Amino acid sequence: GNSVTQMEGPVTLSEEAFLTINCTYTATGYPSLFWYVQYPGEGLQLLLKATKADDKGSNKGFEATYRKETTSFHLEKGSVQVSDSAVYFCALSDIAGNTPLVFGKGTRLSVIA
Amino acid sequence: NAGVTQTPKFRVLKTGQSMTLLCAQDMNHEYMYWYRQDPGMGLRLIHYSVGEGTTAKGEVPDGYNVSRLKKQNFLLGLESAAPSQTSVYFCASSRLAGDNEQYFGPGTRLTVT
Repeated sequence: GNSVTQMEGPVTLSEEAFLTINCTYTATGYPSLFWYVQYPGEGLQLLLKATKADDKGSNKGFEATYRKETTSFHLEKGSVQVSDSAVYFCALSDIAGNTPLVFGKGTRLSVIA
Repeated sequence: NAGVTQTPKFRVLKTGQSMTLLCAQDMNHEYMYWYRQDPGMGLRLIHYSVGEGTTAKGEVPDGYNVSRLKKQNFLLGLESAAPSQTSVYFCASSRLAGDNEQYFGPGTRLTVT
């Protein structure tokens, strides 16, 4: 079945550091891929997505590229801020889009000033 | 648009009591979902619905029931609450077609003593 594996946290970085959170997936065909972010005390919200191979999703300075050859969708940001402290979830949707998203376990990021 | 709303935001129950959590969405989405989130466990799907009048089991359905009598509402019931059901519950919805991007509510924090 479909699955998502993302790096375990917590990840602690200093402000302005470079961020990478790894995400790899197992799926049949070419799923859509997502990164969701959960700020403290809130629900999940979509950060970015990519629907086909080689697509790059981007938002708020975050980027992720859909790599079919390595079945990966790593999240990156060049310079993190304290306000980026949150839990980040990688997720996939099968090509038919008619089953629930499959989520990774989440990675907690803490950014210190 | 209010998006996805959840009622109540907080609740404390005694073991054996029952309650219903209400999720409402105003985006005319076909699909709705209930998740629970526990520390270190990520999101776990409880039940979901692919349309009005339908329900399906997710990963952890035991001890919960659901109903989708109206397209915009998805109810999660606990008939006899147990301390193991202490958690944060999230509702989400998504369109029928497309990449299945999910929209989440703000969550309900439930404590069972």
